[in-house]
Amino acid sequence: EAGVAQSPRYKIIEKRQSVAFWCNPISGHATLYWYQQILGQGPKLLIQFQNNGVVDDSQLPKDRFSAERLKGVDSTLKIQPAKLEDSAVYLCASSLGGNYEQFFGPGTRLTVL
Amino acid sequence: QKEVEQDPGPLSVPEGAIVSLNCTYSNSAFQYFMWYRQYSRKGPELLMYTYSSGNKEDGRFTAQVDKSSKYISLFIRDSQPSDSATYLCAMSSPSNTGKLIFGQGTTLQVKP
Repeated sequence: EAGVAQSPRYKIIEKRQSVAFWCNPISGHATLYWYQQILGQGPKLLIQFQNNGVVDDSQLPKDRFSAERLKGVDSTLKIQPAKLEDSAVYLCASSLGGNYEQFFGPGTRLTVL
Repeated sequence: QKEVEQDPGPLSVPEGAIVSLNCTYSNSAFQYFMWYRQYSRKGPELLMYTYSSGNKEDGRFTAQVDKSSKYISLFIRDSQPSDSATYLCAMSSPSNTGKLIFGQGTTLQVKP
């Protein structure tokens, strides 16, 4: 069974630029999560989708971050404009539902200069 | 105060040692407790899952939850170099089981 796919794996941008990350969850998984993991910290949930609807986006900085999950499958996370403090690994995870095990992708490592 | 506190280490032990990893938490609503293992440049993978209080054993790994003290532990017996990784505790409440609150992770190195 294929795991959660993410691209790109690495991205370097300058502050005030925009960037987008892509996630393809495990086939059949209804729930998709985006986490931010700053170096030396645990992952922090940014947004949770159930199919193509948002369940929780309370920790998403909505002035600069946006996410969508069209057709309830793939998802994109966008940052515009980026700040230095956005440097982190962005992890995508998926699960069969909210009560099930979350499977994580390898993450996208973002560096903002 | 963070909802979940975890000693970041790093922790270095010789091969074969017993390792004890711990987390404390402040939110009494947490009922689901997990330990994830994260290798360098990889995403976290679920290692152990416990509901409410008690112990759970899986091979060389034992997870303990003490809800009265708001304290959880992971024990690794006969540690191996392949156990070298960052261990993250995570927890959630029944009102939103999908929203995992993670500790900051403990980096473990097992030396041959």
